[in-house]
Amino acid sequence: GQSLEQPSEVTAVEGAIVQINCTYQTSGFYGLSWYQQHDGGAPTFLSYNALDGLEETGRFSSFLSRSDSYGYLLLQELQMKDSASYFCAAPFSGGYNKLIFGAGTRLAVHP
Amino acid sequence: DAGVIQSPRHEVTEMGQEVTLRCKPISGHNSLFWYRQTMMRGLELLIYFNNNVPIDDSGMPEDRFSAKMPNASFSTLKIQPSEPRDSAVYFCASSFSGGLVNQPQHFGDGTRLSIL
Repeated sequence: GQSLEQPSEVTAVEGAIVQINCTYQTSGFYGLSWYQQHDGGAPTFLSYNALDGLEETGRFSSFLSRSDSYGYLLLQELQMKDSASYFCAAPFSGGYNKLIFGAGTRLAVHP
Repeated sequence: DAGVIQSPRHEVTEMGQEVTLRCKPISGHNSLFWYRQTMMRGLELLIYFNNNVPIDDSGMPEDRFSAKMPNASFSTLKIQPSEPRDSAVYFCASSFSGGLVNQPQHFGDGTRLSIL
């Protein structure tokens, strides 16, 4: 089977740094993706880690440790517009990009 | 560039009625996914197609649900007959699959379905 666990909610203030963790159990692992979804909106792709280490894209970074079956999304210089749900997702094998999503972490950014 | 286009954006209908949701994937993408999202169950994969062929429909809840992809630019998800528990947001997503598993999925804006 395959499952991903992430916290249900995280709260932070503007300008702060927040880390959203994701642990996974998979029968075959190819990498970890992160998606953002604003209320009433569609999930949008943020990042993908195929290898261990940190990937940085502007204010957002994503980290993967295969040995620990663990990854995180790091959001820096938080802005109000970062209030959204964040999903980690892992692909199955087969080359079809089928994803299994975590339950999502709802991030609330306060002034 | 046009993204994934879904229609209708909202649908309200009475139980027992047939519901058809439509999706136009991004041109050039060869994988298409139908998801359902609810507060209770999160984002669930219902079915996905590769090169217009259904690959895995194990997520389809029951026989009332069916999906087709007659060509590379169009797919439908049909519920017949509909029930109140089918109320959810239904997303269509597409991606390019060329043997790699790191191609992001692009989601449409979703169809908000309410069955009364």
